[in-house]
Parts: sequence; structure tokens; C-alpha cells
Amino acid sequence: ETGVTQSPTHLIKTRGQQVTLRCSSQSGHNTVSWYQQALGQGPQFIFQYYREEENGRGNFPPRFSGLQFPNYSSELNVNALELDDSALYLCASSLGTGRYEQYFGPGTRLTVT
Amino acid sequence: AQSVTQLDSQVPVFEEAPVELRCNYSSSVSVYLFWYVQYPNQGLQLLLKYLSGSTLVKGINGFEAEFNKSQTSFHLRKPSVHISDTAEYFCAVSPNNNDMRFGAGTRLTVKP
Repeated sequence: ETGVTQSPTHLIKTRGQQVTLRCSSQSGHNTVSWYQQALGQGPQFIFQYYREEENGRGNFPPRFSGLQFPNYSSELNVNALELDDSALYLCASSLGTGRYEQYFGPGTRLTVT
Repeated sequence: AQSVTQLDSQVPVFEEAPVELRCNYSSSVSVYLFWYVQYPNQGLQLLLKYLSGSTLVKGINGFEAEFNKSQTSFHLRKPSVHISDTAEYFCAVSPNNNDMRFGAGTRLTVKP
């Protein structure tokens, strides 16, 4: 069974650019959640997708957007990158919402210069 | 809204000693509680979770945690730590397991 995978592993972008991060969920999982983890801090919830629909959003501006595909893989898009967007972006998949365990990928390290 | 406070940012301990990592939470509704571990350059791995029922929860790698509703705490314990337990530990709370709120983390360092 393949776990949660994320690509790319590292990325360097310039302020003002746009970036797309990708996540492949674990087999059989229909729910994907995205988190931002700044250096030395705990992860912060960005949003969750359940069966291709957004199912909850944290306190992030609209330039953070997402998508979930019919195979339940997901993308996180960030427009107009700012220096503070530099962080580890984590994706987690689960069998559903509610009490199901979230399985995390290794993350994508984004550096904005 | 829910929030989590991890009371210790760093906990150094000698190998084979017991350890407790402290976590307090605040919430106006019933919540689910979690402890995750993060090794360097890796994602988070679930150690244990409290959803309902028994307040003493046992997890992987010999860890356990006790849910105390009156003190709004969910402290993580291990009776004897190993060098391999050195990692960052995160306590998290969620009303429904989608909007999961994490603490700032506790860095556990196990010394020989």
C-alpha cells in the first residue's frame, strides 16, 4: 500500500510568483487536508477537501486555493507569493471526515526569496 | 474556537528515564485529541488519539496519554525513553478531525 506522497520535495520561488504543490492520497482515502508549518511552529490548517469539495478552511487568504481530482489527489495553489509563505507544506489524507485518522506526507519545503 | 498549549518547548531527558510532555487545550465543544511525532525532514506520524471512552489511551512505541476533562489536559507519557524517541512532538485538538489545531511542539531530546 502506497502512503501519502507529495511533490516536489523542495521548491524555491520569488516573491510575487505563483506555485502549485501536489499530493497523492493513500489508496482508498477520499479526504485530503493541507497544512502550513512555519519553521519552529506547529502545522496550521489551510483547508480540507472531501470528495472533490472544500470541507472546511482555516484562516488563510483567498490566494491560497486548492483542488481535488476524481482520483482524490489534490493540489495546493498559492498566488502572489510573500516571504512569509516560506514553510513546510504538509498534506494529509484520510478515509473520511470526522474521527478518521489523518496520514501525513513528508511535505514540500517552499522557500520564497 | 479551539486552541492548544504545549507547556514545554524543550524537554531533555536521559535514556531509560520516564518522560511526560504536557498539553492543555481549550474548547467550548467536545473535541478529539491527538499526539503526533515528527522526525527530522519527515511528515507527522500519529502516536495516539482520544475520541471517546476510556480516558487512558495507549499508542505506538510505548507511549500513552490521559485525557483529563476537568483540567482540560492531555499529557503524553512514556515510562522509559530510548535515543530513537528524540523528535518533535505535537499535541492537536479537533472538533471534527478536519479543522485540526496543533500546539507549537515540544522538542524531546534523549541523551545517552
